[in-house]
Formats: sequence, C-alpha cells, structure tokens
Amino acid sequence: AQTVTQSQPEMSVQEAETVTLSCTYDTSESDYYLFWYKQPPSRQMILVIRQEAYKQQNATENRFSVNFQKAAKSFSLKISDSQLGDAAMYFCGFTGGFKTIFGAGTRLFVKA
Amino acid sequence: EPEVTQTPSHQVTQMGQEVILRCVPISNHLYFYWYRQILGQKVEFLVSFYNNEISEKSEIFDDQFSVERPDGSNFTLKIRSTKLEDSAMYFCASILAGGTNTGELFFGEGSRLTVL
Repeated sequence: AQTVTQSQPEMSVQEAETVTLSCTYDTSESDYYLFWYKQPPSRQMILVIRQEAYKQQNATENRFSVNFQKAAKSFSLKISDSQLGDAAMYFCGFTGGFKTIFGAGTRLFVKA
Repeated sequence: EPEVTQTPSHQVTQMGQEVILRCVPISNHLYFYWYRQILGQKVEFLVSFYNNEISEKSEIFDDQFSVERPDGSNFTLKIRSTKLEDSAMYFCASILAGGTNTGELFFGEGSRLTVL
C-alpha cells in the first residue's frame, strides 16, 4: 500500500527566513510523481512544485525547492525568503498510476 | 485558463437526505476524482473515474456513494442517505492522461456539505 507521512502538523517561520517541510512516502512502484500542494484559506489546492521520480535533479520553482531522496523515500519542501502569502496548509502528494494520495498536511504560519 | 468548477459551493442537508455534488472537469482531461476533507484534516481519496467507469475507490466510498458522468461534461458525486459524518469539503479534480501527462491534479474550489 502507498502511504504519505507528514510528521509536522504545524510549522512557523519568520518572514524572509527559510523553512523546510518534511514528507516521507512508501511505495513499491518505480515510476511515480511527487507533489507539494498549497491550500490557502480560500480552500482550493494549488500545485507548488512537482518532482518526477526518475529525475535525480531536485525540482526548483522560484523560492520553492525540494530535497528528493529516492532511496530514503523522502521529499522535503524548502521555502526560501518566506512571505506572508506563504501561510497555508501544505500537502505532500504521491501519484502512482493515476491516483494521488496525500499526507495529513502541515500548517505553515509566517510571522511578520 | 481552464479550471475545474464545482457546484454548489455550500449545501446544508438533513440527515438521511440524498445529495448530489456536481463538477465540470477541464475539457480535455480524462481522469476524474473526488476527494474529501473533513474540516482541518487530511485530504482523502474517494474515487477515480475513467472511461465512464470507476477505476479505483477507497474504503470510504461505500454503497451510499456513487459517481457518474451523465453527459460529456458533468461529473457527479451522489450520497444516497447522508450521515452526520459525511459533513466535509468535497473536492473534484481532474488530470490530463496521455503523452503530456505530468501527473498534476487540477482541483476545483470544493463543495462544503453540512449534514444536520
């Protein structure tokens, strides 16, 4: 069975600082995608960043980057230069085949 | 930009009543999903739908739930006899399958169901 674990229910970061959100997963599949989605208070989940499992290079999208450790089945999200607008729930997602499952989420607070 | 749309945004119903939640996925997407999020909790997979049939469902998706694509655009989730614990936000999502598939889910804004 596929599982996604986010061990940090809440995290807090000072504006302009860097924060790392953790995610681990378990799967027997060899071909899959990993995602981080953001859910702001407006409710809709939006994609932050995506990583293909076959790519060794860590994905980067502006201030967002991942540390993908395939052997360890770890997929952490680093947010640099945190902004007030980054405050949200962040869900780590795993897509194997055509089903995506999510971790329990990490609520990120950004302090001014 | 194409988007997934859901109606209603909020529905209040009495326990035991039937509810239909509607979704219009992005037009060229081929896989459709329903997810559920009980307030403040994780987003849980309910069901996936492809080629006019269920491709996978979770243990949450029991006999009181059903999905269908009645025409070429709508994708519905029906709850036959609602229970208090069905109160949640229900998200529809779609994915482009095929050569350019990136695995990214596109979510609607959700339908909040409140069962009294």
